[in-house]
Amino acid sequence: EVQLVESGGGLIQPGGSLRLSCAASGFTVSSHYMTWVRQAPGKGLEWVSAIYSATRTSYSDSVKGRFTISRDHSKNTLYLQMNNLTAEDTAGYHCATLTATGVGDSWGQGTLVIVSS
Amino acid sequence: EIVLTQSPVTLSLSPGERATLSCRASQSVSNSLAWYQHKPGQAPRLLIYDASNRATGIPARFSGSGSGTDFTLTISSLEPEDFAVYYCQQRNTWPRLTFGGGTKVEIK
Repeated sequence: EVQLVESGGGLIQPGGSLRLSCAASGFTVSSHYMTWVRQAPGKGLEWVSAIYSATRTSYSDSVKGRFTISRDHSKNTLYLQMNNLTAEDTAGYHCATLTATGVGDSWGQGTLVIVSS
Repeated sequence: EIVLTQSPVTLSLSPGERATLSCRASQSVSNSLAWYQHKPGQAPRLLIYDASNRATGIPARFSGSGSGTDFTLTISSLEPEDFAVYYCQQRNTWPRLTFGGGTKVEIK
């Protein structure tokens, strides 16, 4: 059974950095396309980033240059390094597996990031 | 950037009623559209992919239709567990993805 468990969220000051983790079981992270999606309070889902093929990545315009998606085969974990955080980054962050054509077929419950002074 | 507009924002219905949710794309996405269900504090759940294909384990009361710019998710007879927020998502611009703003299906 595929399972995804996010962690690493918390309260962080504006301008700070945070690394989110998504621990996977039931499949191998390094052989799957993966994505991060967030939901700000009272808002809808927003796509953040994806990692596909061996090393290729993509980002939304709102996080490009500040966030980095990566994965560790030995830990079977997906990461999202978030730098220069602003209040607009406050959200619940979900990781998900993607089919080869960009459909999110398994999802985690999310981890909450609050950017506030 | 392709913008997905979902309507209505909120749908108030009773169990047993039919729900019809709309998703309109700002330009054609062919049939590259998926639907998800999301409940507070839970993981989103894939319902429909490629506009009309039910994902594994999804009940037959959920159906999707449409192509190009206009899509519909229909729940033929609402069960208590179906009250949630529903999102459409396009993958036509893969590896960049877009979600709609969501439709909340609430109990009337």
